[in-house]
Amino acid sequence: RKEVEQDPGPFNVPEGATVAFNCTYSNSASQSFFWYRQDCRKEPKLLMSVYSSGNEDGRFTAQLNRASQYISLLIRDSKLSDSATYLCVVIDNAGNMLTFGGGTRLMVKP
Amino acid sequence: EPEVTQTPSHQVTQMGQEVILRCVPISNHLYFYWYRQILGQKVEFLVSFYNNEISEKSEIFDDQFSVERPDGSNFTLKIRSTKLEDSAMYFCASSPEVAGGETQYFGPGTRLLVL
Repeated sequence: RKEVEQDPGPFNVPEGATVAFNCTYSNSASQSFFWYRQDCRKEPKLLMSVYSSGNEDGRFTAQLNRASQYISLLIRDSKLSDSATYLCVVIDNAGNMLTFGGGTRLMVKP
Repeated sequence: EPEVTQTPSHQVTQMGQEVILRCVPISNHLYFYWYRQILGQKVEFLVSFYNNEISEKSEIFDDQFSVERPDGSNFTLKIRSTKLEDSAMYFCASSPEVAGGETQYFGPGTRLLVL
């Protein structure tokens, strides 16, 4: 069974802190990787794609380690508005279905 | 910015009844999907649809489920005889291109409650 695993948290951090989330995936044939953000009772929204070389978008940095089947997300200078559940998402090369992790909940406090 | 829309936002139904959930994907997108999320659980893939046929479906998508694109804009999910365990948030998504990196845009969801 193809799984994507995440620590559910919650991660409680003060504003301005740096926080990192990890994710592991079981299917070595997985092809594409993403971080989505989901606010309470809302739809998932794409935060960023994850590339083998690592990529950065403002305060957010994503890393992929194919050998260890591991994905990470680093958030610097946390804002109150970063409070949400962060979903690790994988597409395998057999199709176009997204496989979601259970999400990691982040709460940024003043 | 174009977006996926879904109706209704909430639906309450009795067990055994049929429900139809409606979605309007982004207009130039070619791939359409349904996902569901039971309260407190992961988002789960149900089905993908391309060129007027199902391209992939999960084990959740059994004979009680069907999808249809009745016209050029709507994409529907029908549950023929609802069960209590069908209670969930149902998300429609669409994408402009084939898998392997193209992102999917999600609608706001329909919250289905089966009593």
